[in-house]
Amino acid sequence: KAGVTQTPRYLIKTRGQQVTLSCSPISGHRSVSWYQQTPGQGLQFLFEYFSETQRNKGNFPGRFSGRQFSNSRSEMNVSTLELGDSALYLCASSSGTSRNTIYFGEGSWLTVV
Amino acid sequence: QKEVEQNSGPLSVPEGAIASLNCTYSDRGSQSFFWYRQYSGKSPELIMFIYSNGDKEDGRFTAQLNKASQYVSLLIRDSQPSDSATYLCAVISNFGNEKLTFGTGTRLTIIP
Repeated sequence: KAGVTQTPRYLIKTRGQQVTLSCSPISGHRSVSWYQQTPGQGLQFLFEYFSETQRNKGNFPGRFSGRQFSNSRSEMNVSTLELGDSALYLCASSSGTSRNTIYFGEGSWLTVV
Repeated sequence: QKEVEQNSGPLSVPEGAIASLNCTYSDRGSQSFFWYRQYSGKSPELIMFIYSNGDKEDGRFTAQLNKASQYVSLLIRDSQPSDSATYLCAVISNFGNEKLTFGTGTRLTIIP
């Protein structure tokens, strides 16, 4: 059974640029959530998509956005990158129904210079 | 008050002993509770999840949930050096979404 696939794994961007990260969930899973992990703030929730609809959103500025496609694959976009956006971005996959397991992908390491 | 609290450690345990990791949460209505293991430079790996009061065992791991005390713990029996990692406690507060709120993690070191 394939796991959660995130691409790209590593990327370096310049301040002011934008970036798009991709996540393919486990087959059959309809919920995709995104998290940001930094040494100072730990793991913070960005947003969750279920059946192409944003179901929950964390406390991040509007520069952070996402979407989900009909095949459950999801993308997140960060515009006007800032140095503080350097982080590990993690995608989580689950069935979307209550009391189910939630699995993480390997993450995308973003460095903003 | 933080929503999910863990001792940051480091917690040092001799090889073969029981490691006990603790987590408290503030939202009394929380529904599901997860333990993840994260090695340095890697993503979180699901170890256990629990949603009913009591114990849940899986191999060397036992999760314990006490909703009245708003407390969840993870016991690791026969600790191995490969168990050395940061252990993250995470909570889902509401039905109908999959938002995980994480603690800051406990760094565990198993001493050979």
